[in-house]
Amino acid sequence: AQSVTQLGSHVSVSEGALVLLRCNYSSSVPPYLFWYVQYPNQGLQLLLKYTSAATLVKGINGFEAEFKKSETSFHLTKPSAHMSDAAEYFCAVKTNTGNQFYFGTGTSLTVIP
Amino acid sequence: KAGVTQTPRYLIKTRGQQVTLSCSPISGHRSVSWYQQTPGQGLQFLFEYFSETQRNKGNFPGRFSGRQFSNSRSEMNVSTLELGDSALYLCASSLTTGANVLTFGAGSRLTVL
Repeated sequence: AQSVTQLGSHVSVSEGALVLLRCNYSSSVPPYLFWYVQYPNQGLQLLLKYTSAATLVKGINGFEAEFKKSETSFHLTKPSAHMSDAAEYFCAVKTNTGNQFYFGTGTSLTVIP
Repeated sequence: KAGVTQTPRYLIKTRGQQVTLSCSPISGHRSVSWYQQTPGQGLQFLFEYFSETQRNKGNFPGRFSGRQFSNSRSEMNVSTLELGDSALYLCASSLTTGANVLTFGAGSRLTVL
């Protein structure tokens, strides 16, 4: 079975500071991993995905994530936070043979001016 | 290219009533998945439809049902509403079942009084 754990339901950073959102997964087979972002009153938008190619994945809006198999992690980072990054972020896992996505409970990012 | 369209966006019902939510996928997408989003629980998978057939089902009671039409539009129905059914219901479409990219709609926010 697959599952995702997002450490920290709320994260606050100052504008210009590093953003680090943590995601650990559990999967019995090689996983595909995703980060989605949700702005208020909107659906989820794909930020980036890992599908067994390069372990460092670059996404939209300056975000990137690194797949670390030994740590079963897929943390999301951005070097410098912007006010527009304030949103809810979801990590998700899926297997290459399965149809279902498994989402974490989300991390709400607040950016302090 | 139009995105995933969900209607209605907001609705209020009372306990015991039933509700039907609609989802129109991106043109050409044949798979539609439904998720329930509640604070602290993240996204919980309801079901997936492809070619008018339910392909996968999450762990929800039988009060939750869905269907898909020949034009790939999908509806979900919740009967005998309970207070705990208050949530944001998200629909996501993809080209085919098992695809690695989901495109989400903005959701239908259901409040049960």
